[in-house]
Amino acid sequence: SQTIHQWPATLVQPVGSPLSLECTVEGTSNPNLYWYRQAAGRGLQLLFYSVGIGQISSEVPQNLSASRPQDRQFILSSKKLLLSDSGFYLCAWSQDAQAGNTIYFGEGSWLTVV
Amino acid sequence: AQKITQTQPGMFVQEKEAVTLDCTYDTSDPSYGLFWYKQPSSGEMIFLIYQGSYDQQNATEGRYSLNFQKARKSANLVISASQLGDSAMYFCAMRGWSFQKLVFGTGTRLLVSP
Repeated sequence: SQTIHQWPATLVQPVGSPLSLECTVEGTSNPNLYWYRQAAGRGLQLLFYSVGIGQISSEVPQNLSASRPQDRQFILSSKKLLLSDSGFYLCAWSQDAQAGNTIYFGEGSWLTVV
Repeated sequence: AQKITQTQPGMFVQEKEAVTLDCTYDTSDPSYGLFWYKQPSSGEMIFLIYQGSYDQQNATEGRYSLNFQKARKSANLVISASQLGDSAMYFCAMRGWSFQKLVFGTGTRLLVSP
């Protein structure tokens, strides 16, 4: 069966510090990968998605970047964090982009920028 | 553009009763998928149920069923025999054939009381 894991689960970072959140999917190959952010009390906003190694699409301009160095690895990064980057970050995967394929989420990472 | 609307910010139900969570959507895609996710306080986004736009029958998964009314563009989630563990945020989401991403509503917080 397929599993998805992301880490760290919780982190508190000072403004201006770098960020690296990592996500790994097991049990499948060439998945579509996603990074979502959820601000407190709100719905999810898609940040990035990837259909293959090195292929990254950005949905919104922001202080963050994403990379996919391996087929089942997706990394969310920032060189200098802003207060507004605080939130709950969720990595997700699906088999492909077809509408009927479910997107499955990781456990999430709580980021607080202070 | 795709849009999901959840008009109920909060719902209360007593244990063992049924509850309906509302969801309406808007899309120009002729084919699309509709999803419901549960988000407990831990933050993890848990997939509950899927309905395809061309499915003839309403989807069911255990105590969850989806009341799909295509002409009204609604996809309400029905939870039968509510349990205390059903207390959580519930998100309706949609994915069209022409879009990679899952678009979410703002969610409904369900509280199940003894």
